[in-house]
Amino acid sequence: GQNIDQPTEMTATEGAIVQINCTYQTSGFNGLFWYQQHAGEAPTFLSYNVLDGLEEKGRFSSFLSRSKGYSYLLLKELQMKDSASYLCAVRSSGGSYIPTFGRGTSLIVHP
Amino acid sequence: DTAVSQTPKYLVTQMGNDKSIKCEQNLGHDTMYWYKQDSKKFLKIMFSYNNKELIINETVPNRFSPKSPDKAHLNLHINSLELGDSAVYFCASSTGDSNQPQHFGDGTRLSIL
Repeated sequence: GQNIDQPTEMTATEGAIVQINCTYQTSGFNGLFWYQQHAGEAPTFLSYNVLDGLEEKGRFSSFLSRSKGYSYLLLKELQMKDSASYLCAVRSSGGSYIPTFGRGTSLIVHP
Repeated sequence: DTAVSQTPKYLVTQMGNDKSIKCEQNLGHDTMYWYKQDSKKFLKIMFSYNNKELIINETVPNRFSPKSPDKAHLNLHINSLELGDSAVYFCASSTGDSNQPQHFGDGTRLSIL
């Protein structure tokens, strides 16, 4: 099975930088996804990592260390609209290849 | 618009009733999914279909029956609804490539009275 751990809630100030961590345990790692979910809406894709290192996409970056079973999502120049849940999802190479989601981190950005 | 669309958006019904949720995707994806998101926001896989064939059926009561008439549609029928079925149900789709993300519908908010 898989075990995915994220902080439940984080708060940050508009304009600041925040790092949301995700640790996982899985047999046969085959990729990690980050999704954003605003309250009452669908999850939307942010980033994908399968190799170690940093992937940058505008204000958002995602980092992966496979040996440590660790990823983080870095959000820069925070805006109020970044207040949302951030979901880490891990895909394993065994079985169905369907990603397993963590419980998500609720980020609150305040002025 | 290219999207995953599911109906209805809200479903309020009484315990013991039978209801269906419909899902359609026009993204040309081969794989479709049903997820349940509970009050604690945990998104849990229920079913997955690939080209109309069931490939995943997690530990879900057999009151839940998915049906895929073609690869663009995956409907969910629920018999004898129970209070614990109250949740948001998300339909999603993806290609068969492991590095491609899932695209989610807007969700169906099911409330059992």
